[in-house]
Parts: sequence; structure tokens; C-alpha cells
Amino acid sequence: SAVISQKPSRDICQRGTSLTIQCQVDSQVTMMFWYRQQPGQSLTLIATANQGSEATYESGFVIDKFPISRPNLTFSTLTVSNMSPEDSSIYLCSVKFSNQPQHFGDGTRLSIL
Amino acid sequence: GESVGLHLPTLSVQEGDNSIINCAYSNSASDYFIWYKQESGKGPQFIIDIRSNMDKRQGQRVTVLLNKTVKHLSLQIAATQPGDSAVYFCAETTGANSKLTFGKGITLSVRP
Repeated sequence: SAVISQKPSRDICQRGTSLTIQCQVDSQVTMMFWYRQQPGQSLTLIATANQGSEATYESGFVIDKFPISRPNLTFSTLTVSNMSPEDSSIYLCSVKFSNQPQHFGDGTRLSIL
Repeated sequence: GESVGLHLPTLSVQEGDNSIINCAYSNSASDYFIWYKQESGKGPQFIIDIRSNMDKRQGQRVTVLLNKTVKHLSLQIAATQPGDSAVYFCAETTGANSKLTFGKGITLSVRP
């Protein structure tokens, strides 16, 4: 399976600031996704990162708060904008190749003070 | 809305015993199901999957059972080991959608 690298692995940020999380895959992949996992909870899909076009956001998530880029088939970024303590979560990147299940990176653990 | 849920939040088993983790899903259109294991500090790791045209699939020490009549999914772990201690999630998707809906997660704790 692919190697998925997320950076940073963790960060502590001040409220009102923004953080960009990177997801790098070691091979070209069809689909990339971003999830949020709030403390002690399950995973919730934020958006599908589309190569060369705007991401597709799920209900409750908007581009102004979570802008996403996907400039090529191996890389994507998620920015968490104007952070508040409620944004403290694990943010996870996943990838999907054709006819294979989604595989996840180890996530970015974000705390906002 | 549609959701995927688990019956129990925690499960404690004796090392060597078999574990059974259950999951209920509500979207009758779901046709692909996955079990993930998440260890502390890690992302979810794929364990096993099953398509709706099957009712049982076996892997190494793990078996997934699917009962479409009652919309129920289970993960059986044989001879549970300390390394099996983790949070387990079921997830479902529909056709070519590829978007996963995750269940709430259950913590498996293995007693030595």
C-alpha cells in the first residue's frame, strides 16, 4: 500500500491563527480525502480534494474555514483558518486507489489555546 | 439522516479469548463495508472489508460477518492478543461514491 506522510504530526496554535497541513503520497492516487476526528470521537469527512479543481465539501464544512489545495496527484493541503479551541482535533488525510479501500495517514494532532 | 453506529463503547476481553465487535448500519443502499483499527497516535489501519454480495469473509485471525436483513456487521478476532488493543471502527460506503461513513468506534482492551 501507499506511504502517506502528513506534516506536521502535531501542533499547538493560538486562536485566530491559521495552520496548513500537508499530505504527501509516494505514488499517484485517484482520490484524496480530508477527515476530522474530534477528541474521543469518530471520523467525519470534511471534503474530497479534487486534482485541478475546487474541493467538494460535506455538509457543515465550508471553503472559507477549510481551504484545500490539490495541485497534483500526490499532494494536498488542508488549511484550518481563524482557529478556535473548538477546532482542536486530529486531521487525517486518506487516499484511495481504484478497487482498493481508503488508507489513512497518521494524522495531525492540533490543539488551539 | 443515515448513520452507522456501534452497540458498545468499550469491550474488555481476556488474552486468548475471541472478541466480537458489532456494528449496526442504517443505509440499506450501502454495499461496501470496512473495519479499521486505530492505535493511539496512529491513523486508522485497514483490517478487512466485505461487499454486500457476501455474508462472510475471513482474514488472518479476523472474520467479518454481514447480515443485510438486519443491517448488522460484526468483526470477530480469534485468540485476542495484547496487540489487538485499539479502537475499532466500522465504515460503510455506497457504490462508486467512495465517501466513507464511520461508526462511533469501540475500544477493545485485552487483559493479560
